[in-house]
Amino acid sequence: GESVGLHLPTLSVQEGDNSIINCAYSNSASDYFIWYKQESGKGPQFIIDIRSNMDKRQGQRVTVLLNKTVKHLSLQIAATQPGDSAVYFCAEIPPGYGNNRLAFGKGNQVVVIP
Amino acid sequence: NAGVTQTPKFQVLKTGQSMTLQCAQDMNHEYMSWYRQDPGMGLRLIHYSVGAGITDQGEVPNGYNVSRSTTEDFPLRLLSAAPSQTSVYFCASSYLPGASSYNSPLHFGNGTRLTVT
Repeated sequence: GESVGLHLPTLSVQEGDNSIINCAYSNSASDYFIWYKQESGKGPQFIIDIRSNMDKRQGQRVTVLLNKTVKHLSLQIAATQPGDSAVYFCAEIPPGYGNNRLAFGKGNQVVVIP
Repeated sequence: NAGVTQTPKFQVLKTGQSMTLQCAQDMNHEYMSWYRQDPGMGLRLIHYSVGAGITDQGEVPNGYNVSRSTTEDFPLRLLSAAPSQTSVYFCASSYLPGASSYNSPLHFGNGTRLTVT
């Protein structure tokens, strides 16, 4: 089936710097994308989502960019803090389907260096 | 508003034993689901439900049963535990797409860590 993957398994970032987490998706028809954050010992936590009719969406300290031409999704975290240390998952849903077809990537570890 | 609550947090079973993982949500979400998370495998959907009385299989349903008698609760049953079911189990819920057909994000519980020996 279609898969969602991440380029880098671990990203080490200095506190205060900006982080960029990348995700390549393979289903060009997917129309809804989500980023989740999972801290150690906890469940995934919704960060931000974006629909395919947008190429950028901003939240609090986070920005998601969608490039449909190259099937690429990225999450930018501004002024990275120690609390941002976690595993980050991107996920996608094909058009016409609900969360039962949500496809998760395997995750990308972010380590914030104080 | 507690969100999605899972119990127990940890469980050790012997092969062949049965148990039920509990999941409750207080957000009036129609959609509920169970995932397992294994190293290198990501999150995989076990079963899901779009409302009370309605359940369906996900990607890895074998060895698991579910029921949805109320909107709030969605228990996951292991009838005869096997070592291959050692994993972290997450329950998640969301609203169903409305008239706009846009999906809403899943809200996850904090997981049940199950070890089968």
